[in-house]
Amino acid sequence: QSALTQPASVSGSPGQSITISCTGTSSDVGGYNSVSWYQQHPGKVPKLMIYEDSNRPSGVSNRFSGSKSGNTASLTISGLQAEDEADYYCSSYTSAISHVFGTGTKVTVL
Amino acid sequence: EVQLVESGGGLVEPGGSLRLSCEASGFIFGSYWMHWVRQAPGKGLVWVSRINTDGGVTNYADSVKGRFTISRDNAKNTLYLQMNSLRAEDTGIYYCAKDLSWGASDYWGQGTLVTVSS
Repeated sequence: QSALTQPASVSGSPGQSITISCTGTSSDVGGYNSVSWYQQHPGKVPKLMIYEDSNRPSGVSNRFSGSKSGNTASLTISGLQAEDEADYYCSSYTSAISHVFGTGTKVTVL
Repeated sequence: EVQLVESGGGLVEPGGSLRLSCEASGFIFGSYWMHWVRQAPGKGLVWVSRINTDGGVTNYADSVKGRFTISRDNAKNTLYLQMNSLRAEDTGIYYCAKDLSWGASDYWGQGTLVTVSS
């Protein structure tokens, strides 16, 4: 089972919107409403930002939104802020082995 | 307050064994699936294993299948990961995580570092 594919890096200026993609297959991303997104600051524990493709846990800013089309899921961060600079990982249930993470994306706020 | 506290990590030689523990509190432990996730130094997250509420269903990443065993003791609110035949590539921080839905983990422990080296 290969990791889901994410861009290595995405950047944007404060206030802008950015989108991170997460590409899988019909056996994972495209087959289940199970994509979740995590934010991880350096040296910190991952934080759940989105689950079930587009749901936000309580306490997560509404600047973060998730969507999916076919085998590609996306995380959009609107109104980019300095504190959003972090690594972001997608994950999905997979019929192959149960669960798989994405390759990770480093978000830089210019 | 939900808390997950891992322990049991350390330095071990290739081929050796370690048993990780994750003590849970602040929620009904026996009602949730649980996961182990690892992160090699400077690398991304890798899912390792999961277990259902009563321990009757377990799944493993291909890279650890046959070497690692996940288990739980609901009476002790504790999750375990028995790691045998350890390899250098097993080195990393091991996190336990509580499942929210379809593998999404809403609470994570602080992690325990496993280093496999001679």
